[in-house]
Amino acid sequence: KNQVEQSPQSLIILEGKNCTLQCNYTVSPFSNLRWYKQDTGRGPVSLTIMTFSENTKSNGRYTATLDADTKQSSLHITASQLSDSASYICVVSEALGGSQGNLIFGKGTKLSVKP
Amino acid sequence: GAGVSQSPSNKVTEKGKDVELRCDPISGHTALYWYRQSLGQGLEFLIYFQGNSAPDKSGLPSDRFSAERTGGSVSTLTIQRTQQEDSAVYLCASSLVGAGVSNYGYTFGSGTRLTVV
Repeated sequence: KNQVEQSPQSLIILEGKNCTLQCNYTVSPFSNLRWYKQDTGRGPVSLTIMTFSENTKSNGRYTATLDADTKQSSLHITASQLSDSASYICVVSEALGGSQGNLIFGKGTKLSVKP
Repeated sequence: GAGVSQSPSNKVTEKGKDVELRCDPISGHTALYWYRQSLGQGLEFLIYFQGNSAPDKSGLPSDRFSAERTGGSVSTLTIQRTQQEDSAVYLCASSLVGAGVSNYGYTFGSGTRLTVV
């Protein structure tokens, strides 16, 4: 069964610190992996999209890594800011056309950045 | 428009009433998705429209749920005889092509928060 598991479920860090969020998946065949940031009361916003051949991708203070062999991804946030407080969702696309775009969503990691 | 627009942003309804939720996708996006997000849960797929193809309704939880997409643009999600377990945030997303088969961006609306009392 295609699954996306994220850890930790929640995380509290102090402003200015770094953190790393994990995503493990069992989706096959794999097409791409996305990280989204979802602020409270808002829809998810895309941070990065990575295909099979990409090992790392950065978007400002956010850096995503992908190991397609071990089926693991991480999202590293550098020098956290209060505005980073949000849920971070890992989404994996199955490499098949048609049905539901074949997107499998993780349940997200809720990050709280404290002053 | 510049983004995916959903309305209303909040809806409180009495149990047993019907509700309609609206989604205006980004102009030109052929793929449109509805998801449901319950408190503390991940996104649950509901339905997927791709161009003129028959929609993928495999995620609709019951026959009380239906959705239409008129003219390949605006979509309406209808919930009939609402129940308390229908309370959730309903998110719409659109993509230039089917997001699973391409690396195109996939843009979400801000959602409609439905509360059934």
